[in-house]
Amino acid sequence: AQKVTQAQTEISVVEKEDVTLDCVYETRDTTYYLFWYKQPPSGELVFLIRRNSFDEQNEISGRYSWNFQKSTSSFNFTITASQVVDSAVYFCALSGGSSNTGKLIFGQGTTLQVKP
Amino acid sequence: DAGVIQSPRHEVTEMGQEVTLRCKPISGHDYLFWYRQTMMRGLELLIYFNNNVPIDDSGMPEDRFSAKMPNASFSTLKIQPSEPRDSAVYFCASSGGFLGETQYFGPGTRLLVL
Repeated sequence: AQKVTQAQTEISVVEKEDVTLDCVYETRDTTYYLFWYKQPPSGELVFLIRRNSFDEQNEISGRYSWNFQKSTSSFNFTITASQVVDSAVYFCALSGGSSNTGKLIFGQGTTLQVKP
Repeated sequence: DAGVIQSPRHEVTEMGQEVTLRCKPISGHDYLFWYRQTMMRGLELLIYFNNNVPIDDSGMPEDRFSAKMPNASFSTLKIQPSEPRDSAVYFCASSGGFLGETQYFGPGTRLLVL
């Protein structure tokens, strides 16, 4: 069975601090895809990144970076120099490939509060 | 290009009434998904369509829920009769493929059943 665990329910930081959101996944697929979505207070779900299981290169996009480690089944998300606008719920999600299961399995989400 | 469009954005209704949620996927996307988000259960997939055909409705909670996709640019999710426990945010998403393709979400419909 596929599963995504986001152990951190809530994180509170002060603006300009760095923060890492953890994501651990379980799958028996050899091919799979990992995603991060952001849900700001307005409620929409915003796609942030997609990564396939064959690409373990870390990725950086501005203040955002992602660390994918197959050895520990983790796909962590770091925000550098956090800002108040980063306050949101962040979801990690998994989609299996080789088992033909393209459904998105979401973690429970991590609520990030960035205080000024 | 326009993203996924959902209507209404907010719906308040009384128990027993019929509720219809609407979705327009991104043009060219041939997969459409309906999700429900609640505090207790998080984000859960209700049903998805490929080329307007329902493929997997195993997430639909009960017979009171039904979904249709009469054409490539329109889908509905209907609840009849509605119950207070149906109160949730309902998201529609679309993607250009299934395995590993990114799903793009609409703004959601916040449903409150009194």
